[in-house]
Amino acid sequence: ETGVTQSPTHLIKTRGQQVTLRCSSQSGHNTVSWYQQALGQGPQFIFQYYREEENGRGNFPPRFSGLQFPNYSSELNVNALELDDSALYLCASSFKRGDADTQYFGPGTRLTVL
Amino acid sequence: AQKITQTQPGMFVQEKEAVTLDCTYDTSDPSYGLFWYKQPSSGEMIFLIYQGSYDQQNATEGRYSLNFQKARKSANLVISASQLGDSAMYFCAMRGLNYGGSQGNLIFGKGTKLSVKP
Repeated sequence: ETGVTQSPTHLIKTRGQQVTLRCSSQSGHNTVSWYQQALGQGPQFIFQYYREEENGRGNFPPRFSGLQFPNYSSELNVNALELDDSALYLCASSFKRGDADTQYFGPGTRLTVL
Repeated sequence: AQKITQTQPGMFVQEKEAVTLDCTYDTSDPSYGLFWYKQPSSGEMIFLIYQGSYDQQNATEGRYSLNFQKARKSANLVISASQLGDSAMYFCAMRGLNYGGSQGNLIFGKGTKLSVKP
């Protein structure tokens, strides 16, 4: 196990609602990245947080927003849910340094939008 | 732009045999990292192996090895002595490396579903 936890494991929402997903990073890690994985696809980068600041963002609309807390845990918020937001949401933690560092993933939150 | 291509949607291998999963990449970054992850049906992405673009030797981790051919822009994963528990989706991913700069995000391929037959 990586030590990265996510909650909840499963979630069902209706179109137009808002959702908050949570991630606790591995001990010693200061960076959290969020990914969306649609069925049958590879994960797509949403954004990354480093020391409570957004440190890069993928091609996702502003209704996808996030936070990182002083203990390096993180939240992903999605407003005005659409049917296409149904996916597995993965968070990954890592320790930011100048060379290659590995992102370790949590078990994911499976979101279904009806 | 960075891109990862995995051309094998599905692969079968007999238990105890070796299997190679293909991955080609495209990038304009002078330095980059290549990763392989395993995703069982439970959904968690499990890190397997890493190869840096300037590493002189191919990476190995237990039964996993990475056949890195920089000129061909390929980074194939070799699994030796396949086990039933190896049945899963396998994703190749890459990230540009900016020494001293931002960490960068992972770009993933579409994955290969490996099925190990008893």
